[in-house]
Amino acid sequence: NAGVMQNPRHLVRRRGQEARLRCSPMKGHSHVYWYRQLPEEGLKFMVYLQKENIIDESGMPKERFSAEFPKEGPSILRIQQVVRGDSAAYFCASSPPARTSYEQYFGPGTRLTVT
Amino acid sequence: AQTVTQSQPEMSVQEAETVTLSCTYDTSENNYYLFWYKQPPSRQMILVIRQEAYKQQNATENRFSVNFQKAAKSFSLKISDSQLGDTAMYFCAFMKHGTGNQFYFGTGTSLTVIP
Repeated sequence: NAGVMQNPRHLVRRRGQEARLRCSPMKGHSHVYWYRQLPEEGLKFMVYLQKENIIDESGMPKERFSAEFPKEGPSILRIQQVVRGDSAAYFCASSPPARTSYEQYFGPGTRLTVT
Repeated sequence: AQTVTQSQPEMSVQEAETVTLSCTYDTSENNYYLFWYKQPPSRQMILVIRQEAYKQQNATENRFSVNFQKAAKSFSLKISDSQLGDTAMYFCAFMKHGTGNQFYFGTGTSLTVIP
């Protein structure tokens, strides 16, 4: 059973460009969480999605950031008009449906560098 | 709101010795989980150990054990017989009980095992 997949593993964008980060949950998992890790910090929650629904986006910046988890395909975290402060590692985690949240399995992360 | 505090940014231990990493948290919840995650240079988040708050018995996983003091809101990690592969960042994390809940992470402790 493949784990949580994230791609790309490394992404370099110039200021003002768009960044699209992908997360494929584990097979059978329909819940996806995105976290951001700034340098020298712990992971911070951004958004929680189920298939075709955003359940909790309380950690998402109000502008430039969006997330989706379509019926088919991976979850996408999209950052428009990136700035240097967006440079971070972005992790997604997935969990099975109807189970307690502690069963979240993390992907390897995408390291975004904004130049 | 939940907060997790790790007051030791860096620690070191001689190989084969024992080390304890500290973590305190603040919450008004009664049902929750506590975790220790390891993040090696690969940046993959690896679950080390989990504790359910309703369990009085401290969790253990091989060389890893916790000292959970619910009244004091303290959750320390003890690593026995330290090995070079234990060198990593260690994050303490909190999660409310239930579905669709996020992790709250501390800022981490960088542990170096010295040969």
